[in-house]
This record gives sequence, C-alpha cells and structure tokens, in this order.
Amino acid sequence: KAGVTQTPRYLIKTRGQQVTLSCSPISGHRSVSWYQQTPGQGLQFLFEYFSETQRNKGNFPGRFSGRQFSNSRSEMNVSTLELGDSALYLCASSPSGGGTGNTIYFGEGSWLTVV
Amino acid sequence: GNSVTQMEGPVTLSEEAFLTINCTYTATGYPSLFWYVQYPGEGLQLLLKATKADDKGSNKGFEATYRKETTSFHLEKGSVQVSDSAVYFCALYNAGNNRKLIWGLGTSLAVNP
Repeated sequence: KAGVTQTPRYLIKTRGQQVTLSCSPISGHRSVSWYQQTPGQGLQFLFEYFSETQRNKGNFPGRFSGRQFSNSRSEMNVSTLELGDSALYLCASSPSGGGTGNTIYFGEGSWLTVV
Repeated sequence: GNSVTQMEGPVTLSEEAFLTINCTYTATGYPSLFWYVQYPGEGLQLLLKATKADDKGSNKGFEATYRKETTSFHLEKGSVQVSDSAVYFCALYNAGNNRKLIWGLGTSLAVNP
C-alpha cells in the first residue's frame, strides 16, 4: 500500500510569507505527527493529530499550526516565515500514535528554504 | 523528564568493520525503545525496537539490547556495508509522556569501501 506522501518536496519562500505543507498518511492510519529537522536541533516534535483533533503539541511558537481533515490528511502552516524556519519538515503516520507495538511511518519530507 | 542521549557523530568506518552507536536514556517507568534510520534524501524508517528490559531488537544485521540497569540501548552491527551509510536515531516512548516519542539528535555514519 502507498506510503506517507508529502507535498511539496521542495520550496523556497521569502521572509514574512506563509507556507502550507500537506501530508497524506497511509490508508487507515488516523494519527499524523509533524516534525522539524535541522542540523543543529535534530528532530523536533511539532504536533500530533488524531481523528481531526490535536492530541499533542511541541514547544513551537503559534506561527506553527496544523489541522487534520476527516480523511486523515493533514496540513501544517507556518506564518510570518523567519530564516530559522528553514528545515526539513517530516510527517509521520500510524494507526493510533507512536508507542509500544505501534511503528510510525515517515514521509520523505518537505524541504523549506526561507530567504 | 524523559530524554535520550546519543553519541555524537560523524562516525566513519571501513567496510566490514564493527559498529557501535551508543544510546542512553532517562525515563520513569518502563519505556519502549527504538532505533530509526534515515538514508540520504529519505524520511526515517524503523530499524528495530524493544519494548521491555532484556529484549533484543534485530533487523538487517543490526542489534540492540534494552538494558534497564545501565539505561542503554546501544546499536551494534558486526560487519557494516557501504549501504549502511545513514543517520541513526535512538528514540523512546513512554506511555506517561502524552504519547510522544522522544528523540536523540542522531548519529551520522559513513562507511567507506
């Protein structure tokens, strides 16, 4: 079955703009998590959605937001982009969330460059 | 709180060398432990996992044993290949931690022919 699909794969934005990234989870998976990956900070958890509800949130400013639709597809939005937002944004899906016996599956990520 | 500490990289080895990547953790209770691998240009994928003390996870020649007494989950492989070049992430899940996976910073491995 198809894996986790993220779009777009690469994008360049200007400071102050906003961006929306999309994630289609594996069919049947209801949990979608988002991560930011940078060389200096490693993998940072942004938020997790389950059945259209945000279930967990990391320590990111309010400029970072997300949502999940009834078909489990998810989007994340970053407003008022800053240079430091340049990163690889990874989406991960699982049947009910990362945990014991519950593998999470990652997409290939969306590379965001802010100039 | 919960945390994961991995050895810093990059680690550079010759083909067929023995690999150890150290991972130690801090957690209350009985977390599950994972190793994920990220090949160049790809997302992360699960390499192996262990859900209770003394469990050994293994996959593709890699092994890691859940050691509660030393709070460690070191990744080992007896003979690495060039194709093992990737970034390796140690992670823990603790049910009392709001279902979040806690990640190490990752260790980059380069294997030379």
